[in-house]
Amino acid sequence: NAGVMQNPRHLVRRRGQEARLRCSPMKGHSHVYWYRQLPEEGLKFMVYLQKENIIDESGMPKERFSAEFPKEGPSILRIQQVVRGDSAAYFCASSPSDTRKLFFGSGTQLSVL
Amino acid sequence: KQEVTQIPAALSVPEGENLVLNCSFTDSAIYNLQWFRQDPGKGLTSLLLIQSSQREQTSGRLNASLDKSSGRSTLYIAASQPGDSATYLCALRDGGSQGNLIFGKGTKLSVKP
Repeated sequence: NAGVMQNPRHLVRRRGQEARLRCSPMKGHSHVYWYRQLPEEGLKFMVYLQKENIIDESGMPKERFSAEFPKEGPSILRIQQVVRGDSAAYFCASSPSDTRKLFFGSGTQLSVL
Repeated sequence: KQEVTQIPAALSVPEGENLVLNCSFTDSAIYNLQWFRQDPGKGLTSLLLIQSSQREQTSGRLNASLDKSSGRSTLYIAASQPGDSATYLCALRDGGSQGNLIFGKGTKLSVKP
């Protein structure tokens, strides 16, 4: 049973480009969470999704950021018109329900030049 | 607003020592608390999960305790080894959220051979 898979591991973008981060949850898990870790900071919650639904996006910036978890395929975190301040490690986690233990992926390190 | 604090930010000990990592939180209305380990450039590995109704959990050389009334949790590591060197994160799911975790900034542990 593979763990939470995130790709790419490293992503380099220039200012103004778009970044797409992918997350495949563990088999049988229908709940996906995205977190961001800035240098020297703790992980901050961004968004919580179930299949085809956004449950809680209270941690998402209002502009340029969006997330989806379609019926088929991985969850996608999309950042439009990236800026240097978006440089961070983005982690995805999944769980079989909203009350169980979370399992994290290895993260995507986004670097904006 | 719930806040999670971990002290110290960094800790260095000789191999073989028993040690305690501390986590405090401001609102005792939590659902559960989870301790993670994060290795450089990697994702998070869940170590122990304590439900709000529990006082402690044990796994091998690790023991985590929870005292909701005082807003504290501790992670005890017995007979530390160089392989224990990592950043240890405390995260809690409070009673008001639906799924997301609130993280501390972590304690960076270094175990010297």
